[in-house]
Amino acid sequence: SQELEQSPQSLIVQEGKNLTINCTSSKTLYGLYWYKQKYGEGLIFLMMLQKGGEEKSHEKITAKLDEKKQQSSLHITASQPSHAGIYLCGAPTRSSYGKLTFGQGTILTVHP
Amino acid sequence: DVKVTQSSRYLVKRTGEKVFLECVQDMDHENMFWYRQDPGLGLRLIYFSYDVKMKEKGDIPEGYSVSREKKERFSLILESASTNQTSMYLCASRLLAGDNSYEQYFGPGTRLTVT
Repeated sequence: SQELEQSPQSLIVQEGKNLTINCTSSKTLYGLYWYKQKYGEGLIFLMMLQKGGEEKSHEKITAKLDEKKQQSSLHITASQPSHAGIYLCGAPTRSSYGKLTFGQGTILTVHP
Repeated sequence: DVKVTQSSRYLVKRTGEKVFLECVQDMDHENMFWYRQDPGLGLRLIYFSYDVKMKEKGDIPEGYSVSREKKERFSLILESASTNQTSMYLCASRLLAGDNSYEQYFGPGTRLTVT
């Protein structure tokens, strides 16, 4: 079965700093989904990547999928306290019905 | 906007009680999912349903059952709650027909404590 490993598991940064979160798959990815979760709440969809080498940006968040489609990175530029939360990557399995396998999550703390 | 709602945000139950967690989505989605989330373990799939009355086990179905009698509602049942089922439970839904995306829409979660 596919496994997703996220690194780091937690991250504490000062406001204004850049940061990167990585998501590595044990198998070729057929898509990669990034979600954000505020503590104690549901997940909010951030971005979806499907093609090798693809890069997407939304506001100060950029996500990339490497050419080999086994690793994705999420980069936040000039972090703000509003970026704090848990970031999770999810990948579809080869089976149908839209199942996603998730990484264990990265806890981001941004100090003002 | 898709809206996925869960019946309770916080729930406290006693060991051995039967517990029902309800999830409702308002966008006519075919697929619905129940996950539990524990620190350091991420989201783990308990059960999913690909259509009304259709269900399949996920990765950790032991101790749980589900019911989907109507398209918009997916219920998770803990037949006899145990302390190791204390967790955050998240429901999600996904549109299937004509949609190549695996994007799932999540509810706000139910934090269940079993004492």
